[in-house]
Amino acid sequence: NAGVTQTPKFQVLKTGQSMTLQCAQDMNHNSMYWYRQDPGMGLRLIYYSASEGTTDKGEVPNGYNVSRLNKREFSLRLESAAPSQTSVYFCASSELQGYTFGSGTRLTVV
Amino acid sequence: DQQVKQNSPSLSVQEGRISILNCDYTNSMFDYFLWYKKYPAEGPTFLISISSIKDKNEDGRFTVFLNKSAKHLSLHIVPSQPGDSAVYFCAASPFYNQGGKLIFGQGTELSVKP
Repeated sequence: NAGVTQTPKFQVLKTGQSMTLQCAQDMNHNSMYWYRQDPGMGLRLIYYSASEGTTDKGEVPNGYNVSRLNKREFSLRLESAAPSQTSVYFCASSELQGYTFGSGTRLTVV
Repeated sequence: DQQVKQNSPSLSVQEGRISILNCDYTNSMFDYFLWYKKYPAEGPTFLISISSIKDKNEDGRFTVFLNKSAKHLSLHIVPSQPGDSAVYFCAASPFYNQGGKLIFGQGTELSVKP
């Protein structure tokens, strides 16, 4: 099925470990986004990429880096995970206003 | 500073009755508003939208109302069904039809009881 694919679906990290969350879309969308969802906070934008080769910070970029590898793929990296980064992470892509979300990655940092 | 606010974390309604979910925003530059629906363990999915040139948009059982002077929008679901039980997010953008990032509210968890 066409859409946004995120891997992994679940991950447990120890404090200080690093990892990369992967995201790929097959809809030929120009824009891609990373959000995190926390109880009572809704969806907060971490980073976004308006087009291949560009990335910009969102509301909560600290502790994260991103790479827009090509038009299809947009990865999110945690260099040194902290318990405050325990969250559900969603990748999305869009053309104009049509956002399509992946099914999420549930990350726990212990 | 929360630019899009959903002040009710939860709402419970009886099947067949109307569900009204509310959303307030502070940025007068927002001119496009959307509602997303999210089931557990899934990503949010688009439900309905409205641009600032309208005050109402209807799609089947779902209607969104926009009051620009009050910076307020609401989602009405009539009649409510148990399958509507989900978390609903309001979102806003200042760039209608040009793409760009969305600002989301905190979400309201709707429970429709049979």
